[in-house]
Amino acid sequence: AQTVTQSQPEMSVQEAETVTLSCTYDTSESDYYLFWYKQPPSRQMILVIRQEAYKQQNATENRFSVNFQKAAKSFSLKISDSQLGDAAMYFCASGGGADGLTFGKGTHLIIQP
Amino acid sequence: AAGVIQSPRHLIKEKRETATLKCYPIPRHDTVYWYQQGPGQDPQFLISFYEKMQSDKGSIPDRFSAQQFSDYHSELNMSSLELGDSALYFCASSNEGSYEQYFGPGTRLTVT
Repeated sequence: AQTVTQSQPEMSVQEAETVTLSCTYDTSESDYYLFWYKQPPSRQMILVIRQEAYKQQNATENRFSVNFQKAAKSFSLKISDSQLGDAAMYFCASGGGADGLTFGKGTHLIIQP
Repeated sequence: AAGVIQSPRHLIKEKRETATLKCYPIPRHDTVYWYQQGPGQDPQFLISFYEKMQSDKGSIPDRFSAQQFSDYHSELNMSSLELGDSALYFCASSNEGSYEQYFGPGTRLTVT
């Protein structure tokens, strides 16, 4: 069984600044993957970034990067140079292979102009 | 780039009716997943298929069934619909080795 916890229901950041969204997880799997998804008001689920648990190097995708602390079971998302288009609900998720993903409750990110 | 296609995009049904949702995965993706997202909720995993065989099962009610066909498209069949089944239903697909799940736009089901 897997659990994913996002302790920040809502975060607010000024445009162009940096924000970090927190996520902790628990899993009995030895091989698993971690993801951050963005869900804007359109309700489309957009994959932001992926981390393989066996890789020590933190994943990076342009302005998005993660801080993966395997021992602490922590997987935070850092958004640099925040833009108005980053405003959305962000979900942290874990899963393995062809198994379904377990999502956290989400963090609503507000970008202040 | 081609994305996951879901049809219909919106569906209105009455209680006790049946509904069928369709999903067409990204070309060359061999795994399909179904999720249900209620209002203000996170997506809940229902069921997945790899190479046309059921791969994993989540919180799918017994009233629901699904399958994956030879062309890799998948259908979610929902019977005896209840008001609580009103939700956004996502299909996602991935290919073996990547396991990045790409989501379709969703089907919004309203049960009245």
